[in-house]
Amino acid sequence: QKEVEQNSGPLSVPEGAIASLNCTYSDRGSQSFFWYRQYSGKSPELIMSIYSNGDKEDGRFTAQLNKASQYVSLLIRDSQPSDSATYLCAVTPFSSGSARQLTFGSGTQLTVLP
Amino acid sequence: GAGVSQTPSNKVTEKGKYVELRCDPISGHTALYWYRQSLGQGPEFLIYFQGTGAADDSGLPNDRFFAVRPEGSVSTLKIQRTERGDSAVYLCASSLEVTDTQYFGPGTRLTVL
Repeated sequence: QKEVEQNSGPLSVPEGAIASLNCTYSDRGSQSFFWYRQYSGKSPELIMSIYSNGDKEDGRFTAQLNKASQYVSLLIRDSQPSDSATYLCAVTPFSSGSARQLTFGSGTQLTVLP
Repeated sequence: GAGVSQTPSNKVTEKGKYVELRCDPISGHTALYWYRQSLGQGPEFLIYFQGTGAADDSGLPNDRFFAVRPEGSVSTLKIQRTERGDSAVYLCASSLEVTDTQYFGPGTRLTVL
């Protein structure tokens, strides 16, 4: 069983719609959660981080965390064609230290149709 | 300011050869990470450095892989006796401290023929 699970997609939404991306993780001790965006052939770029239960909003992006359900999601409002990319969910494994090596899911490919 | 840089951007080698991949982190960043990303997968952690020392190398797949960061800045990932299964994009990331956001470099695409 993979530690971080994401639907691989592809997920297609029309321009202006809300895109919903989901992620589950297996390590109940995970402490920090991240969403990275990766355009084809490019490196991952951090778009959101979340550390406590609830919602965190940043512009058109909202991250949602539910530690009891071991579930993280990313909502993209007013989706634009430029949002078309692979979205990677990443978590930090439980550690007594401060190490922050990330465990990534396989990513969800999002296509926003004009 | 300048981001994380990696050289070369592409490396093609033959099975059995030795390769070195270089990472220049963002100036002042103390933590440096190496990841490997295969096609269709997320990055997979290999090793991270805090300063000059390898704080965690648990992700290195076997003893053919080795990394150094002698002066606490530039890091080199070294792969001996390359195998076709080593073909992937090798990503480097750095952060100001280990608890901070990781910024990724553009990666080195390694192809082992």
